[in-house]
Amino acid sequence: AQTVTQSQPEMSVQEAETVTLSCTYDTSESDYYLFWYKQPPSRQMILVIRQEAYKQQNATENRFSVNFQKAAKSFSLKISDSQLGDAAMYFCAYEETSGSRLTFGEGTQLTVNP
Amino acid sequence: GAGVSQSPSNKVTEKGKDVELRCDPISGHTALYWYRQSLGQGLEFLIYFQGNSAPDKSGLPSDRFSAERTGGSVSTLTIQRTQQEDSAVYLCASSVVGQANTEAFFGQGTRLTVV
Repeated sequence: AQTVTQSQPEMSVQEAETVTLSCTYDTSESDYYLFWYKQPPSRQMILVIRQEAYKQQNATENRFSVNFQKAAKSFSLKISDSQLGDAAMYFCAYEETSGSRLTFGEGTQLTVNP
Repeated sequence: GAGVSQSPSNKVTEKGKDVELRCDPISGHTALYWYRQSLGQGLEFLIYFQGNSAPDKSGLPSDRFSAERTGGSVSTLTIQRTQQEDSAVYLCASSVVGQANTEAFFGQGTRLTVV
C-alpha cells in the first residue's frame, strides 16, 4: 500500500522569507501524481500544486515550487516570499491514477511570523 | 452551485444515535469521495463513487458506516449507532474523471462531535 510521510508536524517562517516543507512517499508504481494541499482554519482543502511523476520538470505555481526526486521518492514544497495568508496546515498527497483516491500525509502546520 | 457543498457544517449527537451527512458535488462531476479527518490527523479515505456506484468502499471503518449516491449527484454518508471515536471532520470531494489534470475539489466538511 502507498504511504505518505510528512516528518515536520510544525514549521515557522518569517514573513517574506522562504520555507521548505518535506514529504516522502512509498510506492511501487512508476506513474502517479503528487499534490500539495493547503487547509486553512475554514477546513476547506485547497490545491496548491500538482506534479505528474512522468514529468521530470519540477512544477511551479507563482511563489510555490516543488523539488521532485523520483528515485528518492521525495516531494518537497518550497514557499518563497512567505505571506501571512500562507499560514495553514499543508498536506502532501499521492494519487495512483488520475481520479483515484488520494493518500495523505499527516500534515505540517505552517506559521508565518510578521 | 459553484463549489462542493456539505451539510450540516457542524453536528453534535449523542452516543448511539444515527447521523446523516450530506454532500452536494460540483455539477457535472462524476466522481465523489468521502474522507475523514480526526483531530490533528491527515485525511483518511472512506469511499469513492463513480456515478451512482461505489467501486471502492474499502476505507469504511465498520459496518456502521454506509454511503449512497443518487442521480449521480448528491451523496449521503450515514453513521449508525455513533461512538465517540467517530468524532471527526468528514470531508467530501468531487472531480471529473477522464480528463487531464483532474483536480479534486473539496467541501468545507462536517464537524461531527459525539457526546
